Order: sequence, then structure tokens, then C-alpha cells
Amino acid sequence: KAGVTQTPRYLIKTRGQQVTLSCSPISGHRSVSWYQQTPGQGLQFLFEYFSETQRNKGNFPGRFSGRQFSNSRSEMNVSTLELGDSALYLCASSLVAVSGSGYEQYFGPGTRLTVT
Amino acid sequence: QKEVEQDPGPLSVPEGAIVSLNCTYSNSAFQYFMWYRQYSRKGPELLMYTYSSGNKEDGRFTAQVDKSSKYISLFIRDSQPSDSATYLCAMSHTGTASKLTFGTGTRLQVTL
Repeated sequence: KAGVTQTPRYLIKTRGQQVTLSCSPISGHRSVSWYQQTPGQGLQFLFEYFSETQRNKGNFPGRFSGRQFSNSRSEMNVSTLELGDSALYLCASSLVAVSGSGYEQYFGPGTRLTVT
Repeated sequence: QKEVEQDPGPLSVPEGAIVSLNCTYSNSAFQYFMWYRQYSRKGPELLMYTYSSGNKEDGRFTAQVDKSSKYISLFIRDSQPSDSATYLCAMSHTGTASKLTFGTGTRLQVTL
């Protein structure tokens, strides 16, 4: 079974621009979560989408947004980029079975965003 | 104080040693506990997943959860140079199971 895929893998943007990152979950997985990883703050939760609805949200400004499509693929958007947004952005998918199990998350390789 | 504390290391051990990695946490609502391995410039790889307390073994890896002490451990037996990586603990609670809170990670170096 193919793992979580993320595109693009690397991205360089200028302050003030916006960026869209894409994530395709493992086949059959219904939940997609996004995380930001930086050397100073480590891995921090951004938000989770399940059945096209944002179900959980972390403590990030409104410049960070996302969505999920009917095939469970997800996109994350960051508007008005700041230097501090430079990070590895990771997407994770989980099965979340009807029984309430299946919460373990499987990560993709990440998109490394550099803001100059 | 962070919700999850993890010694950043680095931890250097000889090949074949038993490695013990630990995390402590403050939120008693945490019920789901995970250990991830992350190689440089790669995404985290899930190693172990435990619900509530107890032990779980998978090959050379053993995960332990002690909820009374708010302490979790990962043991690696017969460590190999390929185990050299950063190990991250992560946890979440029932209300928001998909919202993982991570430790800062422990960098492990297994030497020949």
C-alpha cells in the first residue's frame, strides 16, 4: 500500500506571498492532520480534517488554513508568508475506524518551505 | 513548562547495547501514546502505538506506559547503526485523538 505523499517536496517563497501544499493520504484513511516542524519549536499541530470538515485546530494564526476533498486528499494554504513560516510541513493520515480505533498517524516526507 | 518533556540528548551507545528513551508528561488526559523515528530530512516513521497503560513489544522495540507516573519509555534491544536517528514521543487524549503533542525528540547515535 502506498504511503502518504506530499507535493511539492521543496519550495522557496518570498515574504508576503502565499503558498499551497498538497497531501494524499494512505488509501482508505479518512483523517488528515498537518504539522509544522521547526528546530526551535519542534513538531506542532496545525489542524485535522475528517470527512471534509476541520475537526481539530492548533494555535496558529488564521493565515494558516486547509481543506479536504471528497477523496480525502488535503491542501494547506499559508497566506502573507513571514520569515518565521520557514519550516518542514508534515501531513499525517490515520484510518479512524467506525469503532473509534485506528488513531495512529502515518506521516509523509514533508514539504520544506523556505521563506526569503 | 511543556506538556511533554523529552531529553534531547544526544545519546551515544555502542552497537548491540540496549537503549532506553523516555518521556514525561503533565496532562493526565493523555490516553494514546506513540513513538516515532525520524531520520535527517525525512518524515517521522511510526514505531510503536499504545492505548492507555501497559507494555507492547514489536521485534527489538518495547514500549511501556506508566500512567500513574505520567512516564513512557521505549527500549531498543541489540541496537544497530541504522537505529541512529531522532526518536520522538507523541501523545493525545480521547477527546482530540488526532491532535498529537510531541516531545522535542532525543537524538540517538549508535556507534560501531
